[in-house]
Amino acid sequence: GQQLNQSPQSMFIQEGEDVSMNCTSSSIFNTWLWYKQDPGEGPVLLIALYKAGELTSNGRLTAQFGITRKDSFLNISASIPSDVGIYFCAGQNNDMRFGAGTRLTVKP
Amino acid sequence: DGGITQSPKYLFRKEGQNVTLSCEQNLNHDAMYWYRQDPGQGLRLIYYSQIVNDFQKGDIAEGYSVSREKKESFPLTVTSAQKNPTAFYLCASSINTGPGQPQHFGDGTRLSIL
Repeated sequence: GQQLNQSPQSMFIQEGEDVSMNCTSSSIFNTWLWYKQDPGEGPVLLIALYKAGELTSNGRLTAQFGITRKDSFLNISASIPSDVGIYFCAGQNNDMRFGAGTRLTVKP
Repeated sequence: DGGITQSPKYLFRKEGQNVTLSCEQNLNHDAMYWYRQDPGQGLRLIYYSQIVNDFQKGDIAEGYSVSREKKESFPLTVTSAQKNPTAFYLCASSINTGPGQPQHFGDGTRLSIL
């Protein structure tokens, strides 16, 4: 099955910096989701997007559902050490497809 | 508290042995899923179940089997036919398999070969 193209693969940033990551696909999705995974744990849902063009925030996180329905991005503002982890995008129609993840490291 | 419980946290398999991973949810969700996660890759779907007594193969079902005898439970058996079973296994559930229903995950089971 098709997986999504997520970039960057990894990011090393200083505490306080903003972060941006994105996900693209050759197929259209009806729903885009962003998850965060801490080491040794399962992914936790951060934001779900249901309409093309939708912009949704959850605290310091903001995500957008691309107009073409083939992409989405996630921004994290003013990063803090606990933002460390792997961020996954997922596109959903009747099934769900995942990106390979963006590994975020935040240096204090 | 409602949630998804996977057990055990760590599991070791000998050559030629079948092992079963447990997944229980008390969210009253109809749909349940099993994914495999390998380093540097996205989650890959092994099996999913839309309702009790029904399940469907995902992208990488070979070497695995499941059952769904109860709504709350969706155990995964890794059989000896799975030649590369070392991975992190994640169970998820959602209200149903329809679009717009986010999946929620357990904390995973890490399976290793002895």
